[in-house]
Amino acid sequence: AQSVTQPDIHITVSEGASLELRCNYSYGATPYLFWYVQSPGQGLQLLLKYFSGDTLVQGIKGFEAEFKRSQSSFNLRKPSVHWSDAAEYFCAVAPSGGYNKLIFGAGTRLAVHP
Amino acid sequence: ETGVTQTPRHLVMGMTNKKSLKCEQHLGHNAMYWYKQSAKKPLELMFVYSLEERVENNSVPSRFSPECPNSSHLFLHLHTLQPEDSALYLCASSQGTGRTANTEAFFGQGTRLTVV
Repeated sequence: AQSVTQPDIHITVSEGASLELRCNYSYGATPYLFWYVQSPGQGLQLLLKYFSGDTLVQGIKGFEAEFKRSQSSFNLRKPSVHWSDAAEYFCAVAPSGGYNKLIFGAGTRLAVHP
Repeated sequence: ETGVTQTPRHLVMGMTNKKSLKCEQHLGHNAMYWYKQSAKKPLELMFVYSLEERVENNSVPSRFSPECPNSSHLFLHLHTLQPEDSALYLCASSQGTGRTANTEAFFGQGTRLTVV
């Protein structure tokens, strides 16, 4: 069955520190991969996506993610976290082609200490 | 107005009420989705409409009834809900049907539903 695992439910980092959020997926073929961010009371905003090509993708707000096929991973990184990055982050997969049927991980809640 | 707009943002309803959630997208997309976000559970896909036809129904109880009158509008009709149906209901849209290239889903801000 298709699934997405985000091993870390909560992460706390200091402002200015680097960040890595982990995501592993289980899928029969190479899926489309996404990271979304959700601020309290808000919908989901797309940070970045991987469809094909370069396995290191750049997103908005200084985020990047690397697709590693051998590890079935798509980890999200940011070199220097800002207080405004505190939010919940969701990794998701969708089948390539066709409509975008997203399967989400449980999310990682990020807290940022000043 | 741009993007995906959901109304109302908040809704409190009794278990015997009937209400509807509305979603409108201004992105020219041809697929629309309802997702449910409950506390302590991952986001769950409820329904998918592609070219105004329902193509996915993920074992959702019949007390939730979707309607897609055109490619820009999506409704979720609610009746005789249970307290456990309280959640954030998110609408999304995307472009891509059949084997054409897919694009990402854009989400609305959601409707926070409380069933009392």
